[in-house]
Amino acid sequence: RKEVEQDPGPFNVPEGATVAFNCTYSNSASQSFFWYRQDCRKEPKLLMSVYSSGNEDGRFTAQLNRASQYISLLIRDSKLSDSATYLCAVTYNNNDMRFGAGTRLTVKP
Amino acid sequence: DTGVSQDPRHKITKRGQNVTFRCDPISEHNRLYWYRQTLGQGPEFLTYFQNEAQLEKSRLLSDRFSAERPKGSFSTLEIQRTEQGDSAMYLCASSLSGLEYGTDTQYFGPGTRLTVL
Repeated sequence: RKEVEQDPGPFNVPEGATVAFNCTYSNSASQSFFWYRQDCRKEPKLLMSVYSSGNEDGRFTAQLNRASQYISLLIRDSKLSDSATYLCAVTYNNNDMRFGAGTRLTVKP
Repeated sequence: DTGVSQDPRHKITKRGQNVTFRCDPISEHNRLYWYRQTLGQGPEFLTYFQNEAQLEKSRLLSDRFSAERPKGSFSTLEIQRTEQGDSAMYLCASSLSGLEYGTDTQYFGPGTRLTVL
């Protein structure tokens, strides 16, 4: 079993749709959680950190469920520019970061 | 640009050759990480430095791979006797670690894309 698992998608949604991505992690000692966005042939860029209380940044909402070892990302009112691969990342002891394989999103007009 | 930089951006080499990549982290960051990413996968951790000390190495980092950060600033990753399976994007990231800085958020450079023929 992989340490961090994501639904690979692809998710194809129309503009304005709400889309949710899920991520599970296997190590209960995980300490920090992140969502990164990666455009084709580019580096991952931090989208948001994920806190136990959940956090929101504009159209993006991230949730963490430590009991179920699960994090989620919700994108509301999706834009064409949201098309990318979304990577879930988890760290242990603030050292090495483990990534999921990513979920690909395409937003269509 | 004060972000993480990597050089070269692309490298094509023949099997058996040695290659070296450089990473310059964000200037005040004390931690530097190397990852490898292949198509359709997330980045895979290779190694990391805190200042000049290499504190952790993945089992992915075979003895053909070596990384250094001699003065605690830039880092180099060398691959000796390259194999076709080494073809990948090599990503560097840096972070500022310390209790006063909160979560150890990593910022990535643009990567070096290696193709081994």
